[in-house]
Amino acid sequence: EAQVTQNPRYLITVTGKKLTVTCSQNMNHEYMSWYRQDPGLGLRQIYYSMNVEVTDKGDVPEGYKVSRKEKRNFPLILESPSPNQTSLYFCASSPTSGSPHEQYFGPGTRLTVT
Amino acid sequence: AQSVAQPEDQVNVAEGNPLTVKCTYSVSGNPYLFWYVQYPNRGLQFLLKYITGDNLVKGSYGFEAEFNKSQTSFHLKKPSALVSDSALYFCAVNYGNMLTFGGGTRLMVKP
Repeated sequence: EAQVTQNPRYLITVTGKKLTVTCSQNMNHEYMSWYRQDPGLGLRQIYYSMNVEVTDKGDVPEGYKVSRKEKRNFPLILESPSPNQTSLYFCASSPTSGSPHEQYFGPGTRLTVT
Repeated sequence: AQSVAQPEDQVNVAEGNPLTVKCTYSVSGNPYLFWYVQYPNRGLQFLLKYITGDNLVKGSYGFEAEFNKSQTSFHLKKPSALVSDSALYFCAVNYGNMLTFGGGTRLMVKP
């Protein structure tokens, strides 16, 4: 089944404790992206990657890091989480060839930072 | 910079009635517009997109959207709402390599 998977689905952590949220897709998509969803603000793009070893900042990159060493994986790293990073996080992927494509979203990771 | 506005936080409609969820956008150049739906505890699912061509775009689950360049709008519509359509709907504009979302509109369909 074609899908985007994220782990963990739920995470409660404390301020300053480094964490990584994994994202993997099995559709051979070049483009991958991370979003955070907050009430009333919709989804805001954190980082995106056009292909392996190519990453760029989105609208809200502060406090986050990403890497794209393999085409299928795009982990999101919070080196020193803070309470304002409590949010619902989504990973997404899409092909890049041709006209703009719809993105395929993972199930989400709910992060709470205390 | 591009932006998307969804002016209604919530839309209430009776089952069987037509529904409209509004979206306006601001972008330089040609807009590439999308609608996504989010059911409780799920990720977003693609409904439809406008890239070019016919201003009326048909998508999944009987939804359609009308692109209006002069009004910079891309309203989502369905002729007859179902209770199962109740969900959170997001409009988005693709510009360059980024996707910008509106704040979302919760659709409540009452039996």
